[in-house]
Amino acid sequence: ILNVEQSPQSLHVQEGDSTNFTCSFPSSNFYALHWYRWETAKSPEALFVMTLNGDEKKKGRISATLNTKEGYSYLYIKGSQPEDSATYLCASASWNYGGSQGNLIFGKGTKLSVKP
Amino acid sequence: EPEVTQTPSHQVTQMGQEVILRCVPISNHLYFYWYRQILGQKVEFLVSFYNNEISEKSEIFDDQFSVERPDGSNFTLKIRSTKLEDSAMYFCASRQRREPNEKLFFGSGTQLSVL
Repeated sequence: ILNVEQSPQSLHVQEGDSTNFTCSFPSSNFYALHWYRWETAKSPEALFVMTLNGDEKKKGRISATLNTKEGYSYLYIKGSQPEDSATYLCASASWNYGGSQGNLIFGKGTKLSVKP
Repeated sequence: EPEVTQTPSHQVTQMGQEVILRCVPISNHLYFYWYRQILGQKVEFLVSFYNNEISEKSEIFDDQFSVERPDGSNFTLKIRSTKLEDSAMYFCASRQRREPNEKLFFGSGTQLSVL
């Protein structure tokens, strides 16, 4: 059974601070790592999908890296803004569980609050 | 931009009652999913659906649960006899291809409260 862990569970920062959080996942039979952003009362929305070791993706002030050998991914937000406040979910898909079906195993998420 | 829609946004029910949660996936998507998140816990996979049949289901998806695509647009999750522990946010998701590197498009969820 896959176990995807995220840390920290919650984070409170001031506007302008840069922040990062971690997602760890089993590295064996890894296929893909997804990051989703979930704002309260809205739909979780995909930020990044990464598959290759060393992958680095960027979207505006948000970027993510992937290390499949050691089984972790970092999400970075540069110069946090109040509108970045959301829960950030990571999810992993492997060949063992759901690899052929593409089903994702999620972590608990990191809840980010950015104060103006 | 096309989106997945879910209704209702909130559902309150008595233990033992049947509930039906409704979803309209994005129209050209072929693969449909239900996930749920119990407060404070992880988002959990329930079931995947393709070509009018269940592709895969988790241990959570027991005989009390069923899914259906009654017409060309709706995708429903039925819980026959709700239990207190079924209280959760239920998410529907869809995607065009089933490859694990294909992102999911989620609805905004139905918050189910079983009293």
